[in-house]
Amino acid sequence: DPKIIQKPKYLVAVTGSEKILICEQYLGHNAMYWYRQSAKKPLEFMFSYSYQKLMDNQTASSRFQPQSSKKNHLDLQITALKPDDSATYFCASSQDWGGAETLYFGSGTRLTVL
Amino acid sequence: GDSVTQTEGLVTLTEGLPVMLNCTYQTIYSNPFLFWYVHYLNESPRLLLKSSTDNKRTEHQGFHATLHKSSSSFHLQKSSAQLSDSALYYCALSGRSNTDKVVFGTGTRLQVSP
Repeated sequence: DPKIIQKPKYLVAVTGSEKILICEQYLGHNAMYWYRQSAKKPLEFMFSYSYQKLMDNQTASSRFQPQSSKKNHLDLQITALKPDDSATYFCASSQDWGGAETLYFGSGTRLTVL
Repeated sequence: GDSVTQTEGLVTLTEGLPVMLNCTYQTIYSNPFLFWYVHYLNESPRLLLKSSTDNKRTEHQGFHATLHKSSSSFHLQKSSAQLSDSALYYCALSGRSNTDKVVFGTGTRLQVSP
């Protein structure tokens, strides 16, 4: 059974709309992250949370807003969608926050903005 | 800032031949953490190897890598490729433990044929 659930798996949106990407982890981890992978680019760190507290935000745009209602839950709200936002968004978690930690990834949400 | 270079975008091999995927990095920190993540088709990326110890071979699932700080390298090797090794391999770097930012390379796709 997948331990990190991301929903939906595929998402198509129109420019200017708003979408929420869902992520839940059942590993008992204390830290959660969002990464983005655009076409032909490496995985790119976006946000990190530890015990539901925002630790780091490497996303320049305020259109991307993480939301953590529970420790094992980290959604990503994206507003005013643009075609450049088209990417696969990976949620990840680790036992604790820190650079030495192993990241555990979800299967990703592939977003296409038309 | 930190960076990771994977020079090969695609490596094609015949089953049974040795595998070597290159990874070099740049960081100002003296004790970085290096990772190899593997992403099989239709699965989530997952950790294959990690190391922070200079000149120590790390092994898992038939793969091995040695962190060489003198050359800033962490190449991934396997003595004999299998069809099931076909996947996307990411080298990743964390400059220090008190950060959450893991920098990924662009990835190397390994295709193993019969």
